Parts: sequence; C-alpha cells; structure tokens
Amino acid sequence: DAGVIQSPRHEVTEMGQEVTLRCKPISGHNSLFWYRQTMMRGLELLIYFNNNVPIDDSGMPEDRFSAKMPNASFSTLKIQPSEPRDSAVYFCATTAGLLDQPQHFGDGTRLSIL
Amino acid sequence: SQQGEEDPQALSIQEGENATMNCSYKTSINNLQWYRQNSGRGLVHLILIRSNEREKHSGRLRVTLDTSKKSSSLLITASRAADTASYFCATDKEGAQKLVFGQGTRLTINP
Repeated sequence: DAGVIQSPRHEVTEMGQEVTLRCKPISGHNSLFWYRQTMMRGLELLIYFNNNVPIDDSGMPEDRFSAKMPNASFSTLKIQPSEPRDSAVYFCATTAGLLDQPQHFGDGTRLSIL
Repeated sequence: SQQGEEDPQALSIQEGENATMNCSYKTSINNLQWYRQNSGRGLVHLILIRSNEREKHSGRLRVTLDTSKKSSSLLITASRAADTASYFCATDKEGAQKLVFGQGTRLTINP
C-alpha cells in the first residue's frame, strides 16, 4: 500500500521566494493534517481538512501561509513570501475518520530558507 | 502549553532491558495515542487507548492509562537497537477537534 506521499523531500530556497509543499493522502482517507516540526516548538498542527474542507486553521502562523485541498487526492501548503524562521520539517498526515483513528504520516519536507 | 508532556526527555538503556516512558496531560481526553519517529522519517502510529480502557498490548509494547492521574505510560520490553527513536504521546483534548502532541522522549538502545 502506498502511504502518504510528500514532495519535495528537501527544499532549499532564498528568503522571499514562494514555497509550495505537496501531499498525496492515502486513498480513502478523508481527513488531512499539515504539521510543522522544529526543535524549539516540537510538532505543531497548522491546519486540517475533513472531506476536503478546512476545519481548523488556527495554527497557521501568518497570512503568508495558505493551504488548499482541491480534491480528495491532493493538498498543498504554500508559503509566500518565505522567511528564515519558516525553516522546519513539514509533515502531512491523513486518517480515515478524525481523532479516533491513527494518523498516517508522510516522511515530511525538510525546508530551509536562507 | 502542551497538552501532553513526556518524561523523561531522553532515555538511554542497554539492549534487552525494558524502557518506560511517561506522558502527562492536563484536560479530559477521549483517547490517547503513542507514536514513534525514527530519525529523518515521519511519525508511525503504535497504539491508541481510549479513555475507558486501562491497558493495551501490542507485541512488546504495553500502554497504560490512568485518567484519574491524567497520565499514560509506554513500556517496551526486551528492547532492541531498532527501537532507537523518539516516542510521542498525542491526546485529543475534549472539545478540541485536533490531536496535540507532546515534545517526545528520545530513546537510545545501546548494543
């Protein structure tokens, strides 16, 4: 079974550039979560979707961050313009259900903003 | 502040020994989950325990939940080098539609 697929695995870009992270959920999973992991703050939930609809985006740090889920098989997290403090590992996770089911994580995108 | 907090932050033991990690949380929950993260990889789900359950087993893993003390423990028996990873608890705080992860315990198994 294909798990959650994230791309790219690594991204290095200069401050001010637009960054787009991509996620392909497990087929049949109807909830999708975007997390950010740093040493200082640990794993933080940014936003989650249920049936392609954004449910809670209270974790999105600023207007520079936006996320979309145009269909059940694809989601993007965009940062525009990017800043050095956005450097982190970004994870996408999906689940069949919501909070009463295990979450399946992708291997993340390691983002470095210079 | 974090809903779930793991203790200890780091644990180093010899292969074959048992490893115990603890998680404390602040508010009522519906369920608590444990995850493992190997270096450079995503989190992998280990066990989900519901608030009306007290203990659950999966292979060499044993999880307990004490809702009166708002705490959980993860026991790994007969540890192996491959168990070296970070372990996280996650709780679904009642009334909040999201999982909150703790900071994790970094476990090192020495051969």
